[in-house]
Amino acid sequence: QTVVTQEPSVSVSPGGTVTLTCGLTSGSDASDYYPSWYQQTPGRPPRTLIYNINFRSSGVPDRFSGSVVGNKAALTITGAQADDEGDYFCVLHLGRDTSFVFGPGTTVTVL
Amino acid sequence: QITLKESGPALVKPKETLTLTCTHSGFHFGTSGVAVGWVRQPPGKALEWLALIFWDGDERYNPSLTDRLSISKDSSKKQVVLRLTDMESADTGTYFCAHLNWYDSTGTHHRFFDAWGQGARVTVSS
Repeated sequence: QTVVTQEPSVSVSPGGTVTLTCGLTSGSDASDYYPSWYQQTPGRPPRTLIYNINFRSSGVPDRFSGSVVGNKAALTITGAQADDEGDYFCVLHLGRDTSFVFGPGTTVTVL
Repeated sequence: QITLKESGPALVKPKETLTLTCTHSGFHFGTSGVAVGWVRQPPGKALEWLALIFWDGDERYNPSLTDRLSISKDSSKKQVVLRLTDMESADTGTYFCAHLNWYDSTGTHHRFFDAWGQGARVTVSS
C-alpha cells in the first residue's frame, strides 16, 4: 500500500522561509499525482492553499507557493507570519479507483 | 459561491449505522465535472478520505472502508448522503464534506477539494 510522507513538524522564525515536502513511500514522483495542500487550525475545517503542484487557491496569499523538489511536491512559506501556525496536509490523487490519499500532516510552528 | 453543510447525529452507539447529510449550494450535480467527497478526522489525527460521488453517479470509496461505506446524492434536494455501517470507537471524529474540483470549464483537469463544510462531530459510545 502506497503511503504519503510528510515531515512531522517544522519550525520557522517570523519572517523566515520554510519548505514542507510530500512524497510517496513507493518512490514514485509525487508531482505526477495532482498534489494539493491544505492548512488546518484547531477546530476549523481545512483551507485549500495549493493545487496541481503550484496553483494558488482563490484568496491565498502569495507567500504560499508550491513546487517540486526532487520526486516530492513541496509547499514553501516565504515571510512566515504567526497565523501561519497550524497543520498542513498534502493530498495526492492516485487514480480514479484509488482516489485520494492524505499525508499525515506537518505541524508548523512560528517562533 | 460554493457552500456545504454537514448534518447528522452527534452520538452513535457501537454497531449502529451513521448517516450524515451534506447540503450544498453554489453548484449543480447535473454539471459535468462536479463531485462531492467525504473526509474524516479522528481527534488529534490526520485527515482521511472516505468516499466520492461524481456528477454521473459514479462512486469511489476508500479501499480500507469500502465494505462499510455508501454514498448517494439527491440532486433535487442538493444533498449528498454518507452511510457508515457497524460503527466503532475508531470511527469517532469530525466528518467533513467537500466539493471536488475535477475539471473546469476549459477542460483542464484538477483533482483537489476547493470548498469544505464546517464539519460534523461524531462520537461512538454506548
